[in-house]
Amino acid sequence: QSVLTQPPSVSAAPGQKVTISCSGSSSNIGGNYVSWYQQLPGTAPKLLIYDNDKRPSGIPDRFSGSKSGTSATLGITGLQTGDEADYYCETWDGSLSAVLFGGGTKLTVL
Amino acid sequence: EVQVVESGGGLVKPGGSLRLSCAASGFTFSSYSMNWVRQAPGKGLEWVSSISRDSIHIYYADSMKGRFTLSRDNAKNSLYLQMNSLRAEDTAVYYCARSAMYGEFDYWGQGALVTVSS
Repeated sequence: QSVLTQPPSVSAAPGQKVTISCSGSSSNIGGNYVSWYQQLPGTAPKLLIYDNDKRPSGIPDRFSGSKSGTSATLGITGLQTGDEADYYCETWDGSLSAVLFGGGTKLTVL
Repeated sequence: EVQVVESGGGLVKPGGSLRLSCAASGFTFSSYSMNWVRQAPGKGLEWVSSISRDSIHIYYADSMKGRFTLSRDNAKNSLYLQMNSLRAEDTAVYYCARSAMYGEFDYWGQGALVTVSS
């Protein structure tokens, strides 16, 4: 059971938009930066979003991040079949002195 | 080009030990905190341990405390994870990852598979 709660799965049609939520508490999301990672099957995770809403160079603007209070959200627009992957949120927890990952969300593009 | 490459994975018996290494290149290793993250077969990502650039601050996940030891050698651009008293539940792919300015893990290795089985 992860401290950061993500839905196990989401799905949408190609071209549509999807959002993935990540819920935490004041000791983690509420007081620290949130990052998001994409893990394609059989590959290492890849940084998608950092500092809550910033994209590294090379990440298309179809991917967006936001944070409000103790929750964060990853948005993906213009869905493509190549976006099918597992997505993880991540942040620091000041009370636990630990890095936390969400349980992961499997995105299916129907 | 920034690269981190893990090595040292393999098959080990329960109760045994293994040392993972992570060789870094393409950046000033001594300027970055480094981390290990693992992923058990079919499971999600699990943070293992983090070390500051000067080795002063080292953090472990609760289930690894007392069994795993993280260290680094900035002169050799290398990160090490000594794993003792290994259990079947430690079976996973272990990733080395660099921490960037806001704590995000911006570069990951390809992973090293550790299998704990008799």
